[in-house]
Amino acid sequence: DVKVTQSSRYLVKRTGEKVFLECVQDMDHENMFWYRQDPGLGLRLIYFSYDVKMKEKGDIPEGYSVSREKKERFSLILESASTNQTSMYLCASSSPEGQGFDEQYFGPGTRLTVT
Amino acid sequence: AQSVTQLDSHVSVSEGTPVLLRCNYSSSYSPSLFWYVQHPNKGLQLLLKYTSAATLVKGINGFEAEFKKSETSFHLTKPSAHMSDAAEYFCVVSADTGRRALTFGSGTRLQVQP
Repeated sequence: DVKVTQSSRYLVKRTGEKVFLECVQDMDHENMFWYRQDPGLGLRLIYFSYDVKMKEKGDIPEGYSVSREKKERFSLILESASTNQTSMYLCASSSPEGQGFDEQYFGPGTRLTVT
Repeated sequence: AQSVTQLDSHVSVSEGTPVLLRCNYSSSYSPSLFWYVQHPNKGLQLLLKYTSAATLVKGINGFEAEFKKSETSFHLTKPSAHMSDAAEYFCVVSADTGRRALTFGSGTRLQVQP
């Protein structure tokens, strides 16, 4: 079974702090994704990566950055956390195109509260 | 561009009665369509997937969905609800061939009454 793990289930940070959310997958997937989930809005894509050191902006990249130094690890960085970034953050991974790349496997999520 | 509309934010059914969760999509390409389920405090799990083969797709836990191109719909059904079906369900589309990301609907929370 594919396993996607996230470093924390719950995190509380103060406004202005730099925040790192880590995600690791164990299935050698090329593609990795970061979403945020808010009530009534579903999941919205922040950033994704289709290879080591490659990244693309999603629908809501403002206030976030990412890092992918190793294939199995994809980090989301909040350079200066703000209260409107309080949310549930979900990481996902998928296989390359042509091998069922559409199907994404999700981690359990990190609930971040910024006070 | 692609989009997904889930027509009901909340659905409540009695145990043993049918479930219908409605989803309409918009896409410039031939879409792949999915339903994901999220149980409380759990990650998202794929229920089923449509990729232009059979229009009636069977998934896990007795769920199925029918792709209707003329209606641009992909409704999720189950003949008989179980208490364990209580969760949030997301309809998802993947059709922009230049991106590898998914577009999620806003979700439907299913309540199952005893």
